[in-house]
Amino acid sequence: GQQVMQIPQYQHVQEGEDFTTYCNSSTTLSNIQWYKQRPGGHPVFLIQLVKSGEVKKQKRLTFQFGEAKKNSSLHITATQTTDVGTYFCAAPLRAGGTSYGKLTFGQGTILTVHP
Amino acid sequence: GAGVSQTPSNKVTEKGKYVELRCDPISGHTALYWYRQSLGQGPEFLIYFQGTGAADDSGLPNDRFFAVRPEGSVSTLKIQRTERGDSAVYLCASSLLGDRVDEQYFGPGTRLTVT
Repeated sequence: GQQVMQIPQYQHVQEGEDFTTYCNSSTTLSNIQWYKQRPGGHPVFLIQLVKSGEVKKQKRLTFQFGEAKKNSSLHITATQTTDVGTYFCAAPLRAGGTSYGKLTFGQGTILTVHP
Repeated sequence: GAGVSQTPSNKVTEKGKYVELRCDPISGHTALYWYRQSLGQGPEFLIYFQGTGAADDSGLPNDRFFAVRPEGSVSTLKIQRTERGDSAVYLCASSLLGDRVDEQYFGPGTRLTVT
């Protein structure tokens, strides 16, 4: 079935280093969402991107949506130990009809930050 | 008000037994979603309600799984004849509208273990 591929699966960084996770789809996406899940916690919504080429920033986090709306990235500048967790992208992928609520999640990127 | 709540937080059951998992969405949220998350994976869509009706149940793995939302608020996910492969964290989420992809608020999940 349709998938959202996310890389890398793991990323280990030293505190202060930058971090990027990438999300790719073989089909054009209407929009894409990003979630963060802390260890032992549940996914928490970070942002939604809708427009082609859109770039949004939240403090040290920068989110991009590709021009073709098939890929997206999340970049964290100068990581901190509080950034630890798994970052997921998620998008509505049609399967024979419109289902706005059906989000397909990527596998996630597990970020560890060494102090 | 309060966020999404789920009960129980943990459920251990024997293979073949029946279980019910409950979700209390955020008050006023029209849409309610059930996901299943296995270790190291992203949430996997099961079913989505818009009001009382199941708008998309294409993610339910088989007919042992069933979910209801009789009054458009609380939802119950029911699993018959549980199997060891059903062991996972079952996440519930709600969103305000659901007729377009909007921010989903996740509950803490129910960890189901089938022995």
